[in-house]
Amino acid sequence: GAVVSQHPSRVICKSGTSVKIECRSLDFQATTMFWYRQFPKKSLMLMATSNEGSKATYEQGVEKDKFLINHASLTLSTLTVTSAHPEDSSFYICSAPGQQSSYNEQFFGPGTRLTVL
Amino acid sequence: AQSVAQPEDQVNVAEGNPLTVKCTYSVSGNPYLFWYVQYPNRGLQFLLKYITGDNLVKGSYGFEAEFNKSQTSFHLKKPSALVSDSALYFCAVRDKRYDYKLSFGAGTTVTVRA
Repeated sequence: GAVVSQHPSRVICKSGTSVKIECRSLDFQATTMFWYRQFPKKSLMLMATSNEGSKATYEQGVEKDKFLINHASLTLSTLTVTSAHPEDSSFYICSAPGQQSSYNEQFFGPGTRLTVL
Repeated sequence: AQSVAQPEDQVNVAEGNPLTVKCTYSVSGNPYLFWYVQYPNRGLQFLLKYITGDNLVKGSYGFEAEFNKSQTSFHLKKPSALVSDSALYFCAVRDKRYDYKLSFGAGTTVTVRA
């Protein structure tokens, strides 16, 4: 199956700093990627849809200026948490639909654990 | 609108016993249904999907699920559970064929005791 990677796997930062998380489709192209946030023992909350070459589409209640998304190429989407605060601490997961033969399923990255001190 | 309900927060079974994780869904059109499994501090792994065809779908690691349109259910099953099946399981639904946005259930934690 298709592979999606995320970097870094975990990051600890000070309050007020910005953190960038990368999501890459390793062996396929992804014009669309999704960013989720997951709280401990909770479900995934869709934050935004990342579109290659155009603006991201944010879900209701998600601050677009807080969570900047850039989909610069067909294999890379980045999520930047700007001026991070402790309440932004969470597990962030990206996903991408697979190639045409498996377009019905999404492939998920391993996640990034963000801890803001 | 689309949504998924997983009525059980936790399921506990003994190793070797059958395992069932329940899922019901709500969509306005035809459902595309998925099961994913998540191990601690990891991303989601795809288990199986129902798009069309046979109502009984077989997936990875011996899991299967049955699509029941009249009951709007898509329960995950495994005839004989293993300790290694202990994980968090998510059911997901998608309504539109070319809209990849998934709606996830709240998740069910499965614990298989030796």
